[in-house]
Amino acid sequence: DQQVKQNSPSLSVQEGRISILNCDYTNSMFDYFLWYKKYPAEGPTFLISISSIKDKNEDGRFTVFLNKSAKHLSLHIVPSQPGDSAVYFCAAGYSGTYKYIFGTGTRLKVLA
Amino acid sequence: DTAVSQTPKYLVTQMGNDKSIKCEQNLGHDTMYWYKQDSKKFLKIMFSYNNKELIINETVPNRFSPKSPDKAHLNLHINSLELGDSAVYFCASSQVAGTKFITQYFGPGTRLTVL
Repeated sequence: DQQVKQNSPSLSVQEGRISILNCDYTNSMFDYFLWYKKYPAEGPTFLISISSIKDKNEDGRFTVFLNKSAKHLSLHIVPSQPGDSAVYFCAAGYSGTYKYIFGTGTRLKVLA
Repeated sequence: DTAVSQTPKYLVTQMGNDKSIKCEQNLGHDTMYWYKQDSKKFLKIMFSYNNKELIINETVPNRFSPKSPDKAHLNLHINSLELGDSAVYFCASSQVAGTKFITQYFGPGTRLTVL
């Protein structure tokens, strides 16, 4: 029973355009969400997070949007750069616990 | 200046052997974790220690035994290795005390191959 789903295993985007990565969750108790980026042979690197009291959080080229009613979050990267090519994982959890549920990842390829 | 480090990075061993993976964090965090990423790329938590106390123990075979000698270290010992144990194992750490929303920081991973 996968509580966090990333339904697109891969995505290709032209350099300079917007990349949109999507994530859906089923547990309405989740109140904190994170995005991680992972390069081959490295561990996931924290990118950006959002709590359920917000619907948007921005950090430079990265913006995360949260739609609680749809149980959906998305990561926007604008403009996309070749160095953004990596696997992106979303994760969800609730405050007061130590445990996060991860999606299976979306491989982003930014074409030069 | 590595924040969460793991050794070894690669581990190839025969079925039935016992092996250990070590993890250290220099972030001053109070909580450490072990995750397993299997061939389907699912990243699943196995264990978590907070101030050397076991707080998360998912349904993992008891051949897996974590040990935390201090807050900065969390080692994973695996007995009687099986083919299905082949995976990438990630260590992570976070600061929990005084934090409402916890961010976990990951090590580079250890790729375990059981032949």
